[in-house]
Amino acid sequence: EPEVTQTPSHQVTQMGQEVILRCVPISNHLYFYWYRQILGQKVEFLVSFYNNEISEKSEIFDDQFSVERPDGSNFTLKIRSTKLEDSAMYFCASRGTGGNTEAFFGQGTRLTVV
Amino acid sequence: AQSVTQLGSHVSVSEGALVLLRCNYSSSVPPYLFWYVQYPNQGLQLLLKYTSAATLVKGINGFEAEFKKSETSFHLTKPSAHMSDAAEYFCAVTTSGNTGKLIFGQGTTLQVKP
Repeated sequence: EPEVTQTPSHQVTQMGQEVILRCVPISNHLYFYWYRQILGQKVEFLVSFYNNEISEKSEIFDDQFSVERPDGSNFTLKIRSTKLEDSAMYFCASRGTGGNTEAFFGQGTRLTVV
Repeated sequence: AQSVTQLGSHVSVSEGALVLLRCNYSSSVPPYLFWYVQYPNQGLQLLLKYTSAATLVKGINGFEAEFKKSETSFHLTKPSAHMSDAAEYFCAVTTSGNTGKLIFGQGTTLQVKP
């Protein structure tokens, strides 16, 4: 069964450092997303990406965040200068076409900023 | 704007008992509704979805949910709980008119007692 793959599963970084979280979406999907879940809180939308550009972003997704699909298979989330409050589980998701299709989620990357 | 409210952050049932997890949504346009399950240290797995077809939706692992427009609800039920059902459950909403981003509820932790 096709799946969304995320690497690494856990990343520890020092405050102020840049991190890149990587995702390989399902191959024939066209819509890509990043969500985050701060420990004990709900899953929050960060950004959606379609046709090689951001289609929507939340207020959380400020100038410190960027996304890229560098090679047609990977989908990355970069945090330019990490803050303590960026510590969370980050989920990548992808979806096929059609408004009623569900999103498939990866296993997540747990980011810990120290 | 859409929103989701899950009543009860923590639900505890005995093995074999009925499971009822509550979800109410708010949407100005016809919604698509989803239930996802998250087992410890894992990603989000789709349980079931409502996409304007049958109002009673059956999902995996014996779960089902009924869309009630008059009550703006999409409660998740299972007739008989198993120990393996212990997890966190998220209700989410999206609509066909947007980018497909999901708005999640706060989540409900299901505990199953032997």
